[in-house]
Amino acid sequence: GAGVSQSPSNKVTEKGKDVELRCDPISGHTALYWYRQRLGQGLEFLIYFQGNSAPDKSGLPSDRFSAERTGESVSTLTIQRTQQEDSAVYLCASSLRGGNEAFFGQGTRLTVV
Amino acid sequence: QQPVQSPQAVILREGEDAVINCSSSKALYSVHWYRQKHGEAPVFLMILLKGGEQKGHEKISASFNEKKQQSSLYLTASQLSYSGTYFCGQAGSIYSGAGSYQLTFGKGTKLSVIP
Repeated sequence: GAGVSQSPSNKVTEKGKDVELRCDPISGHTALYWYRQRLGQGLEFLIYFQGNSAPDKSGLPSDRFSAERTGESVSTLTIQRTQQEDSAVYLCASSLRGGNEAFFGQGTRLTVV
Repeated sequence: QQPVQSPQAVILREGEDAVINCSSSKALYSVHWYRQKHGEAPVFLMILLKGGEQKGHEKISASFNEKKQQSSLYLTASQLSYSGTYFCGQAGSIYSGAGSYQLTFGKGTKLSVIP
């Protein structure tokens, strides 16, 4: 596609439910990043995928968070047993390879009620 | 280990200049600068790769001192369109092994340009 695509754009879920967020990176981009941005705050690193290497999960805030990526294609971020503090915009970005210019998707706004 | 940005916020009148600083506690491979307008995704401005490198983009330029692990973003003759939050991002050294290209951002500097 022309850019990084994320779905859904908005998600409202009840506390305790699981959610799955999807990211379609730009074709050919080997690096993919997930970030969390709370209202008025900065970009909090969550996880980084580089090709077929083991992902860097050092930013995941708890074991309720997990992410997968199949090869160099789609990635999904899963949040289990959602809590109100999980409410944020989740941004995905991809780049040709690690360290290059990153292109961001429009994000998924998650609201946990 | 995220980079530290300063100032946190700045208000400018059109035509004024500003400098945003970014410093890191770890060895850097590159420094990235992005701008995010309210309600939008961050947009890439520039990457600096070499020690002492400077780059320019319109009236926005930046420098990177690899030895000091510092970068500065210079906005000259600011325009209303420059308003937004500026983030510096750091990618680690190519010698630091797995995850070395993890792109970590500072907390951002909110820039407001008023008429």
